[in-house]
Amino acid sequence: SAVISQKPSRDICQRGTSLTIQCQVDSQVTMMFWYRQQPGQSLTLIATANQGSEATYESGFVIDKFPISRPNLTFSTLTVSNMSPEDSSIYLCSVRTSGRGETQYFGPGTRLLVL
Amino acid sequence: GQQVMQIPQYQHVQEGEDFTTYCNSSTTLSNIQWYKQRPGGHPVFLIQLVKSGEVKKQKRLTFQFGEAKKNSSLHITATQTTDVGTYFCARGSNYKLTFGKGTLLTVNP
Repeated sequence: SAVISQKPSRDICQRGTSLTIQCQVDSQVTMMFWYRQQPGQSLTLIATANQGSEATYESGFVIDKFPISRPNLTFSTLTVSNMSPEDSSIYLCSVRTSGRGETQYFGPGTRLLVL
Repeated sequence: GQQVMQIPQYQHVQEGEDFTTYCNSSTTLSNIQWYKQRPGGHPVFLIQLVKSGEVKKQKRLTFQFGEAKKNSSLHITATQTTDVGTYFCARGSNYKLTFGKGTLLTVNP
């Protein structure tokens, strides 16, 4: 199993500012992802955080807006840059564990409100 | 990635009634995963189905994967108030997940 923590758990930010979200996993994992869940909606994959190299972004998401770091196998950050009210969402870190029975785990999420 | 269509969007049942949510894809799925998200919580992995025609059970929950691997279902027998939440299916491809829109289940005690 994997236990994931995220900081901050929630924040209220002013438009035009940036927020960095941290994700810490209690074990080394190869696969690490960032998802967004807009209010009352489903989850959308933002990017795959790659250790030691640039993140891989999904269609509609760019590095300038959502820079990601992954310095090691247990930690990653997602920055939401130059925020607008449309960025108000829950941002979730997720990891996939391998071995007997692959399982995907989600962190508790960071609830972001942009005013 | 390719979308997965999930129905119904909402389902309200009396406690003790059964519940089913369906997930459909226009293309063959390599695997399908199911998640539960309690109100205010984060998605929790329930199960992954890989084989054509696969049926798996977890207590009152029964998961099925269609023979053509284009559809899946989650059935809950005799719902309880603890079953409340949104149930998502998600197609897996190269370790990336594409989620359905989810089915919000509410249970009247």
